[in-house]
Parts: sequence; C-alpha cells; structure tokens
Amino acid sequence: IVLTQSPVTLTSSPGERATLSCRASQSVGTFLAWYQQRPGQSPRLLIYDASYRATGIPARFSGSGSGTDFTLIINTLEPEDFAVYYCQHRRDWPRLAFGGGTRVEI
Amino acid sequence: QVQLQESGPGLVKPSGTLSLTCAVSGASIKSDNWWTWVRQSPGKGLEWIGEVYHTGATNHNSSLRSRVTMSVDKSNNQFSLKMNSVTAADTAMYYCARVLNYNAFDIWGQGTLVTVSS
Repeated sequence: IVLTQSPVTLTSSPGERATLSCRASQSVGTFLAWYQQRPGQSPRLLIYDASYRATGIPARFSGSGSGTDFTLIINTLEPEDFAVYYCQHRRDWPRLAFGGGTRVEI
Repeated sequence: QVQLQESGPGLVKPSGTLSLTCAVSGASIKSDNWWTWVRQSPGKGLEWIGEVYHTGATNHNSSLRSRVTMSVDKSNNQFSLKMNSVTAADTAMYYCARVLNYNAFDIWGQGTLVTVSS
C-alpha cells in the first residue's frame, strides 16, 4: 500500500489554515498516523488512528478520513508549525509505510 | 516521562556492520509495546527498518530483512539494531521509537547520524 501526500510543498502564512492530504493506494481503514518533523528534530506524533490527537498535541491540529483519503488540518498556523508532515499507515500489520511528506513553508 | 536515547558509532566502513543501541528510560522494555527503528537519509523521507518485542519477536521491512538483526536487552532496558554489509546508501539518521497500539510511533529518540565511508 503506497501513501501519496499532497501538495509536496504548501506555502502559507501564520494565522492561516493549512490542509494536507494523504491518499492510500488501497484502503487502510483508519490505521493512519500523522507526524510533524521540524528542521533538525525527530518526528513527533500528532494524530493516530486517523483522528485521535496524541498526548500534548494542540487542538489546532485535527485529522480526518478513512479508507483511502485522509486530511490533516492545522487551524491558525503558528510559526512553529512550519515543518514537514508525514502520514504513515499500518493497515496490513506488520507491514508499514510512510508517505513522502508535505513541507509547510512560510 | 518516557525517553529513548540512541547510541553507537557515527562512522562505519563499507561492507561493515552498523550497530546501534536504544536505551529506554521512564518505561519498561517489557511493557506491551513494540520498539522500532526508523531511518532518514539526508534530505529524504522516513523509512521503517523494523521492530522488536521484549520476547525477542521481530518484524522487518522486507527490503532490509536479510541484513538486519534486532534484539532486546531486558537487564539493561534497551534494544539494539545490527545491519550488515552496509554501503553509502545506508548513510542516514537512525531513530528508535516506541510503538503505540501496534500502529503509530509515539515516543522518539533524538536520532543518531551514521555515515558509511572508508
């Protein structure tokens, strides 16, 4: 199962809303996670099981979708939100794959 | 809080073996979690390497399976990765992480850069 993220780069401004897409080549149910990776840092889990925020993640991050189409929305972009975002599925455990990433830039 | 810390040589010669350890603090490696390895080549995306359970059970990325060995050291609360026959293509930042609910990676180490070069 291949995950395709779009757009590859999203240019936005602080205070705006960002919408990121992740599309699976086959259904992954809701076995989908989203990660944020800031420059020089490790990835950080934002969303798991498609729509559940991980511990300590601000409410401006929300995930939705099921099957093959998923969305990560960042409401009211903060300066620290400019980063790369990856989706990841685990529909056919133990196999696992990441998407190619979306860079959110100013 | 739970913390993971990778350690190991930063430079490995071509055809040699890459060996890394991930020390776990704030949680027991014997908990009901898998423990995983992910790498990231410079400027590239994330690639899953594999995972290990405290019983010694492992799952691998099929593209790396033949070169990868993972194990758990319960007495020291840590787990390890060995990758043999390395080439320049294995140069990457290597991360260890905890697997949440079998599906997502909720706690990550800071990563360790491994360069394969003579």
